[in-house]
Amino acid sequence: AQSVTQLGSHVSVSEGALVLLRCNYSSSVPPYLFWYVQYPNQGLQLLLKYTSAATLVKGINGFEAEFKKSETSFHLTKPSAHMSDAAEYFCAVGEYGNKLVFGAGTILRVKS
Amino acid sequence: DTGVSQNPRHKITKRGQNVTFRCDPISEHNRLYWYRQTLGQGPEFLTYFQNEAQLEKSRLLSDRFSAERPKGSFSTLEIQRTEQGDSAMYLCASSRRESGELFFGEGSRLTVL
Repeated sequence: AQSVTQLGSHVSVSEGALVLLRCNYSSSVPPYLFWYVQYPNQGLQLLLKYTSAATLVKGINGFEAEFKKSETSFHLTKPSAHMSDAAEYFCAVGEYGNKLVFGAGTILRVKS
Repeated sequence: DTGVSQNPRHKITKRGQNVTFRCDPISEHNRLYWYRQTLGQGPEFLTYFQNEAQLEKSRLLSDRFSAERPKGSFSTLEIQRTEQGDSAMYLCASSRRESGELFFGEGSRLTVL
C-alpha cells in the first residue's frame, strides 16, 4: 500500500525567505509523485509532478521538488516566498494509471 | 477546456435525508474520481471510474454511498440517510489514464445538521 507523510502541519516563513515543505512517501513500485496547492474554498491545483524522468522537477509559481529515492522523499521548495503563496499544500503518491494517495497537508503562512 | 464542474457547491441537509452531487469531468478524460476531504485532512479516496465502469471502491464508501457514471461522462454521488459524520467536502477529479495527474473541481461542501 502507498502512503504519504508530510512533516509539519503548519509552516511559517517571512516574505522573501526560503520555503521548504517536507514529504516522505512509501510505495512498493516506482511512484508517481505530485504536489498540489489548495486555496480556501477551492479545489486542488497541480503544482508539479514527478513521473520517473528528471529527479528535479520544476513547477508553476517558482516551486520545485527533488525526488530522492534513497530517502523516499519529495520535498517542495521555493527560493523566495511571496504573500500569495499562503495556502495549503498536499503531497500525493500514485502508481501508473491508478488513484492518488494524499498526505494530510501543510498550511503555509507567509509573514510580511 | 472548461475544467471539472461540480454541483451543488454547497448543500445543507438534515440528518436522515438523501443528497446527490453531480460531477462533470473534462470532456476528453476517461477517468473520474471521487474524494472526501474533512477539515485538517488531505483528500481521502472514495471511488473511481474508467469510462462507465466503477473500478475501485474504498472501504470508506459505506452501503449508504453510491456512485454512478452511466454514460461514461458525468457522474453522481448519492448519500442516503445522511449522518453528521458525512459532513465534508466532496471532491471530484478527472484524468487521462496515461497521465496520472488529477484535475480537481472546486468541490461540493456538505453540512449535515
